[in-house]
Amino acid sequence: EADIYQTPRYLVIGTGKKITLECSQTMGHDKMYWYQQDPGMELHLIHYSYGVNSTEKGDLSSESTVSRIRTEHFPLTLESARPSHTSQYLCASSYHSAPYGYTFGSGTRLTVV
Amino acid sequence: KQEVTQIPAALSVPEGENLVLNCSFTDSAIYNLQWFRQDPGKGLTSLLLIQSSQREQTSGRLNASLDKSSGRSTLYIAASQPGDSATYLCAVGETSGSRLTFGEGTQLTVNP
Repeated sequence: EADIYQTPRYLVIGTGKKITLECSQTMGHDKMYWYQQDPGMELHLIHYSYGVNSTEKGDLSSESTVSRIRTEHFPLTLESARPSHTSQYLCASSYHSAPYGYTFGSGTRLTVV
Repeated sequence: KQEVTQIPAALSVPEGENLVLNCSFTDSAIYNLQWFRQDPGKGLTSLLLIQSSQREQTSGRLNASLDKSSGRSTLYIAASQPGDSATYLCAVGETSGSRLTFGEGTQLTVNP
């Protein structure tokens, strides 16, 4: 079944650690996105990609980085985690020419202690 | 810059009631509009997608309308059930059909 997968689902990590949040989709979508969402708050776009080797920063400034070496894979990396990075991170994907809309993963809830 | 507003922020209704959630956007030059459902601590589930050329979409008990000229969309839920309790998010796609701008959501509680 075509879908979008995020791992881990939950992560608690100490300050200063390097972490990578994984996102993979099996739908052949060329566009992929990372959103950050604090509890009860709206979603903010932090990174997006229109295809392999294409990455752009979103609307919300983020200390994270992304890469897009394969169409299906769009990992997000924090080189040195801080408590301010505690949030939910949502990955999404879409076709180049919608009308199919976005498909979201289940999210990764990150807590930095 | 596109801004999306959802009213009300929270809504509590008894089971069986029909209800309407509202979404407004400032820039009518949109590509599409998508309604999502989000359960606490979870990702987003797409409910309905309306292209800019369409007026409405229906799926089961859900009906979404779009009035692009006035910058409004509504999500109608018929015969609400406790399982409908969730946060409902409206998002508009830019003319390129890529980036979405989200509203803050309406938190719906359906009481048995």
